[in-house]
Amino acid sequence: NAGVTQTPKFQVLKTGQSMTLQCAQDMNHNSMYWYRQDPGMGLRLIYYSASEGTTDKGEVPNGYNVSRLNKREFSLRLESAAPSQTSVYFCASYSGGERDYGYTFGSGTRLTVV
Amino acid sequence: AQSVAQPEDQVNVAEGNPLTVKCTYSVSGNPYLFWYVQYPNRGLQFLLKYITGDNLVKGSYGFEAEFNKSQTSFHLKKPSALVSDSALYFCAVRPSGGGADGLTFGKGTHLIIQP
Repeated sequence: NAGVTQTPKFQVLKTGQSMTLQCAQDMNHNSMYWYRQDPGMGLRLIYYSASEGTTDKGEVPNGYNVSRLNKREFSLRLESAAPSQTSVYFCASYSGGERDYGYTFGSGTRLTVV
Repeated sequence: AQSVAQPEDQVNVAEGNPLTVKCTYSVSGNPYLFWYVQYPNRGLQFLLKYITGDNLVKGSYGFEAEFNKSQTSFHLKKPSALVSDSALYFCAVRPSGGGADGLTFGKGTHLIIQP
């Protein structure tokens, strides 16, 4: 099925370890986003990529880096994981335009940092 | 910058009763408005949107939402609640003129339908 694919679905890291969360979309969308979801905080934007070759910081970028590898793929990297980064991470893609259907979300990555 | 407020953390409704989940927004210019639903351990799913036209928009699973420009509101409604409607609901907005950082989301409202 067309959509947004995130890997892995679950991950446990030790403090200080690094990892990359992968995201790929097959809908030819220009824009892609990384959010984190924490109880009572809603969705907070970490980084986004408005188009291939561009990335920008969102609301909570500290401790993260991103790569827009091509139009399909947008990865999120934690260089040195901290317990405060325990969260559920969602990737989304967006076409916009006149017939705006909003975002398409991946199923999420549940990350625990111990 | 745009913002969304969902004033209720939780809404409790008896099965079969009508439900309303409230959303107000702030945006420059005309808004594009969205509702999403999230079931436990799942991603967010699109429910409905308002872009232009009729103020009452219909979406998936029997939900509808009413756009009220004067009150800057976009409340989600359903005439008769089902237990399966229990989930977390998010309202989102962006200006019609676009914006590279996409949608702004509210903090979400837990909807609990009691049998």
